[in-house]
Amino acid sequence: AQKITQTQPGMFVQEKEAVTLDCTYDTSDPSYGLFWYKQPSSGEMIFLIYQGSYDQQNATEGRYSLNFQKARKSANLVISASQLGDSAMYFCAMREEGMGGSYIPTFGRGTSLIVHP
Amino acid sequence: GAVVSQHPSRVICKSGTSVKIECRSLDFQATTMFWYRQFPKQSLMLMATSNEGSKATYEQGVEKDKFLINHASLTLSTLTVTSAHPEDSSFYICSAQDGRFVDYNEQFFGPGTRLTVL
Repeated sequence: AQKITQTQPGMFVQEKEAVTLDCTYDTSDPSYGLFWYKQPSSGEMIFLIYQGSYDQQNATEGRYSLNFQKARKSANLVISASQLGDSAMYFCAMREEGMGGSYIPTFGRGTSLIVHP
Repeated sequence: GAVVSQHPSRVICKSGTSVKIECRSLDFQATTMFWYRQFPKQSLMLMATSNEGSKATYEQGVEKDKFLINHASLTLSTLTVTSAHPEDSSFYICSAQDGRFVDYNEQFFGPGTRLTVL
């Protein structure tokens, strides 16, 4: 079973509008971390935002916010005021504690976001 | 933030040759490094976890003899694709984990290496 599910293979948004990218996760570990990364066509993975499983408030980083609904196991990324430079692949990832205390990351399939002028 | 470099950024080689990719943490000591493979328009697939001074832990289905990983120091891990074939063509990305930070974004990614095997 997939641990990270991103159901939107592609999304389109008008410049300056907000967009929500969906992510659901599956884990029985009470302690975990959720990440969102942006991957432009150059290939580099750019860290956007992090949410810890015990964090009481939703994480925010500038125009990025994470809508964390723990009971639903959902961690959607909200990008406000979209810009043309936001066009990229977006990956949701989860970190659980693996064997021996190491943290094993798991990535979703990604969502391709295209921002229209 | 922490910087991870990868070299080379792009490599083209002939079938049957071996290719070495280096991953370096430039301003921190990386207790653990991860190697990923990514096919076009697909997600990152974890290949192996590399801990300094010990043997790498490979994910199921990844050939240990094909993808040799060496983590000789706290700042350098190498991935060698041995006897490369066209199906090994892919984008390889490393990430380094700073052992001092067990929370937040303790994984830092390299810029990736695009391997093309002719």
